[in-house]
Amino acid sequence: ETGVTQSPTHLIKTRGQQVTLRCSSQSGHNTVSWYQQALGQGPQFIFQYYREEENGRGNFPPRFSGLQFPNYSSELNVNALELDDSALYLCASSVHSEKLFFGSGTQLSVL
Amino acid sequence: DQQVKQNSPSLSVQEGRISILNCDYTNSMFDYFLWYKKYPAEGPTFLISISSIKDKNEDGRFTVFLNKSAKHLSLHIVPSQPGDSAVYFCAARAFSGNTGKLIFGQGTTLQVKP
Repeated sequence: ETGVTQSPTHLIKTRGQQVTLRCSSQSGHNTVSWYQQALGQGPQFIFQYYREEENGRGNFPPRFSGLQFPNYSSELNVNALELDDSALYLCASSVHSEKLFFGSGTQLSVL
Repeated sequence: DQQVKQNSPSLSVQEGRISILNCDYTNSMFDYFLWYKKYPAEGPTFLISISSIKDKNEDGRFTVFLNKSAKHLSLHIVPSQPGDSAVYFCAARAFSGNTGKLIFGQGTTLQVKP
């Protein structure tokens, strides 16, 4: 059974650019959630996807968007990057809303 | 508004002793609580959970206690081992419509000294 995998592991971007982060769900999991973890903080909920549709969103602006594909893999897209977007981005998969299984994350640095 | 708080940023204990990590919450609608452990350069790993209808759940060396009247959650690790050294996050599940999301505390760094 493969776990949650994320790519890339590290990324450096410039303010104003756009970025796409990718996530492969754990086998058998139909729900994907994305979290942002700033330095010294706990993860914060960005949004959740179920059956290829966004079905919940945290307090993040519309320039944060996502996709879920038929194989339950997912993408997180961030447009018009700001310095405060620098963080660890975590993808988690689950069966409905039971306990989440996290990937190792993508460390994004915005310069 | 911090709905889940871990007021101790760090904790240091001796190997073999008990580690107690604490967590407070404000929202009485939370129905499920979880503890995650995180090592550097890795994602959080699920440790143990408890439903709001219970007050205790045990799994090997790990026990979680829930005091709903005090809105307080604690994780006990007995005996503590050096490999337990990590950042521990408590999380609570909140529903908005059909969507369950986890709200995390800020984390407590546990150091277990040999």
